[in-house]
Amino acid sequence: TQLLEQSPQFLSIQEGENLTVYCNSSSVFSSLQWYRQEPGEGPVLLVTVVTGGEVKKLKRLTFQFGDARKDSSLHITAAQPGDTGLYLCAGASDSSASKIIFGSGTRLSIRP
Amino acid sequence: KAGVTQTPRYLIKTRGQQVTLSCSPISGHRSVSWYQQTPGQGLQFLFEYFSETQRNKGNFPGRFSGRQFSNSRSEMNVSTLELGDSALYLCASSRGRAGGQETQYFGPGTRLLVL
Repeated sequence: TQLLEQSPQFLSIQEGENLTVYCNSSSVFSSLQWYRQEPGEGPVLLVTVVTGGEVKKLKRLTFQFGDARKDSSLHITAAQPGDTGLYLCAGASDSSASKIIFGSGTRLSIRP
Repeated sequence: KAGVTQTPRYLIKTRGQQVTLSCSPISGHRSVSWYQQTPGQGLQFLFEYFSETQRNKGNFPGRFSGRQFSNSRSEMNVSTLELGDSALYLCASSRGRAGGQETQYFGPGTRLLVL
């Protein structure tokens, strides 16, 4: 059974600080996606990484896919209160929706 | 372009009842997937429909069923509700093209509470 473990589960930091969220698995994925979900809403796709070692930047967010395509990280620089939310990673082994495995999520809270 | 819409947004039922949830995908999207999200289990895949046919199924009991209509709208039904069925039910749509990695777009979800 494929599993995606996210750490930490909860993170509360001060505005302006940096943070990193990790997503790890013993399985290889063909791609990995990061979502952010706000209360009362569905997850919104932030980025998809497909190549081992790939780094993508989205303003203050930096996403990296591990060389072996088994893990990924999300780094946020100078966190803002608007970054608050549940961050989910999701690994795909093929294009089928049933083959997408979601991590348990990291609940991030940024204090003003 | 309108996003994925789900109705109702909130629902309260009692044990033993049944419930039907509805999802309208983004125009032009033919694949609709359903997920259950709970604090303990996270996001779990229920099933995927494409062109009115169930294409994939997760590990949920037969009380959970679904269907898709010719306009790609989908419904999900849960019969004989149990307390553990309380969750946020999310629907996601994509074009459904074979091969490659497709982006799924999620709706806001239906929050179901079973008393």
